Formats: sequence, structure tokens, C-alpha cells
Amino acid sequence: KAGVTQTPRYLIKTRGQQVTLSCSPISGHRSVSWYQQTPGQGLQFLFEYFSETQRNKGNFPGRFSGRQFSNSRSEMNVSTLELGDSALYLCASSYRTGSSYEQYFGPGTRLTVT
Amino acid sequence: AQTVTQSQPEMSVQEAETVTLSCTYDTSESDYYLFWYKQPPSRQMILVIRQEAYKQQNATENRFSVNFQKAAKSFSLKISDSQLGDAAMYFCAYRSAFGEGSQGNLIFGKGTKLSVKP
Repeated sequence: KAGVTQTPRYLIKTRGQQVTLSCSPISGHRSVSWYQQTPGQGLQFLFEYFSETQRNKGNFPGRFSGRQFSNSRSEMNVSTLELGDSALYLCASSYRTGSSYEQYFGPGTRLTVT
Repeated sequence: AQTVTQSQPEMSVQEAETVTLSCTYDTSESDYYLFWYKQPPSRQMILVIRQEAYKQQNATENRFSVNFQKAAKSFSLKISDSQLGDAAMYFCAYRSAFGEGSQGNLIFGKGTKLSVKP
């Protein structure tokens, strides 16, 4: 079974631009979570989607948004990019919501904002 | 709010030796899950081991075992017979216990970078 895939793997953007990152979960998984990883703040939760609905949201500004499609694929969008948005963005999928379901992580998208 | 603290930014171990990574957490909840994740330089986060708070028995997965002290809110990871492939960032994580359809996310510590010397 294929793992979680994220595209693109690397991205360079300029301040003020917007960016869209994509995550394809493991086949059959319906829950997708997004995390931001930076050297300073570590791993921080962005949001979780299940059955096309946002179930949970972390403490990030409204510039960060996401969505999930009927095939469970998810996208996250960051508008008006700032230098501090440079990070590794990780996507994790699980079969369903609920803490007993293990989360499987993708390789991440490395976003650099210049 | 729950917090997870890893007090060792870096650790080093000789190949074939044993190393213990520390993790403490703070929560007012009585039921929760604790995890250790491994993130090798390739960046793919992998689950190493998982502990359910209501289980007193410490979890074990091959060379990896935990020492779970619920009262002390401590959750350390022991790696036995260390191998070169164990070199990675290790993250301790907390997740509230909740039923399907409810909210919940992983709360991570800052990580411990483990080096394995040949």
C-alpha cells in the first residue's frame, strides 16, 4: 500500500505570494492532519480534516487554510507569505478520527520564503 | 493545555550500547496516549512506540521500550543494542484519548537528536 505523499517536496516563494501544498493520504484513510515544523517552534498542529470537514484547528492566523476533497486528498493554502512561514509542512493521515487510530506521516514539503 | 518537554536536545550512544531518551509531560487528563516518533534525516516521521495511559504495563517494540511513570508524568524511551540506523531526531508526543468523531491532535516535544557512533 502506498504511503502518504506530499507535493511538491520543495518550494521557494517570495514574501507576499501565496502557496498551495497537496497531500494524498494512504488509500482508505479519511482523516488528514497538517503540522508545521520549524527549528524554533518545533512541530505545531495546523488543522485536521475528516470527511471534507475541518474537525480541529491549531493556533495559526487566518492566512493558513485548508480543505479536503471527496477522495480524501487535502490541500493547505498559505496566503500573503511571510519569512516566518519558512518551514517543513507535514501531512499525516489516519483511517478515521479518534485517538486509537495511528497517524502516518508523509515526507513533508519544504517551503522557503525569500 | 497539555505540554511535552524533552530536556535533552542531543544525545550520543556507541553502537550496540543502550541509550535512554527522556520526556516529561503535563496534563490534567486521566486518559491519553503517548508516543515516540523517529524522524531520520530523510524527514519521514515514523512511529516507534505507543503507550496508552490506562495500561500500566510498559510498551515494548523489539529493541525499543518505554518507562512510563504516570504519577511522575514521565515517559522515557530506551533503545537497546543501538544501531547506526537509529540515528535520527526523536520526538515525544501526547494525544488526548477521544472517541471517533471528536477532536484531537498530537502535541510534540522539541525533540532529541540521537547520534550513533560506530
